Amino acid sequence: GAVVSQHPSWVICKSGTSVKIECRSLDFQATTMFWYRQFPKQSLMLMATSNEGSKATYEQGVEKDKFLINHASLTLSTLTVTSAHPEDSSFYICSARDLEGAKYEQYFGPGTRLTVT
Amino acid sequence: EDKVVQSPLSLVVHEGDTVTLNCSYEVTNFRSLLWYKQEKKAPTFLFMLTSSGIEKKSGRLSSILDKKELFSILNITATQTGDSAVYLCAVRFYNFGNEKLTFGTGTRLTIIP
Repeated sequence: GAVVSQHPSWVICKSGTSVKIECRSLDFQATTMFWYRQFPKQSLMLMATSNEGSKATYEQGVEKDKFLINHASLTLSTLTVTSAHPEDSSFYICSARDLEGAKYEQYFGPGTRLTVT
Repeated sequence: EDKVVQSPLSLVVHEGDTVTLNCSYEVTNFRSLLWYKQEKKAPTFLFMLTSSGIEKKSGRLSSILDKKELFSILNITATQTGDSAVYLCAVRFYNFGNEKLTFGTGTRLTIIP
C-alpha cells in the first residue's frame, strides 16, 4: 500500500527558532499534499494544500509567512514553522494523494509532534 | 459554512457490544465521505463512500452513506478492546475549484473488557 513518511516524528525547539518538517510519499507520486494540525482531543484542521511546483493554498486564519510550505518534487513537501512560539506546539500531520487509478485516496503520514519551549 | 458533525462525541461500551457512529455534513460540491480510525498517531483509512445506499464492509466494520439526508453511519459489531480509538469522519468536496477534506471532531470509542 501507499506509504507516507514524516520526519522528524517529534521535535522540541526553543521559542523563536524555526523548525522544518518533511513529508515524503515513499512508493507513489503525489502531486498534492495536505498539511493538518491537531491539538489535543481535537480533530484535524487543514492548514494548507500543497501542489507540486506551485504555491500552497492556505486555509483562512493560517499565516502563510509563518508556516512556509515547499513542494519541490512529486514525493516531497516541507512545512517550516518560522519563529515558533509555545502556542504552535501541536501534532502536525501531512497527507498525500495518490492520483493513479483515479482512486483519489489520501494517505496520512505518522505525524510530527512539535513542542516549543 | 461547510461542516462535518459527528455524534456521539464519546462512547463507552462493553466488549462484544455493537456500536453505531454517526456523521452528518453540510458541504457544497460533495465528492465523497471517508472514515478513519485514529489511535495514537495519524489516522488510518477505513472506508470511502461516494454513492448512497451501498454498504461497504470490512470484517466487523461496515458503513453506509445517505446523500439525500446528508449523513453516514459506521457500524462495529462484536466490539473488541482493539477497537478503542477515535473514529474520524471526513468529507471531500470542492470549494472554489480547490479540493478540500474537512474532518469532524471525531467519536472517542472506548471498549471495556
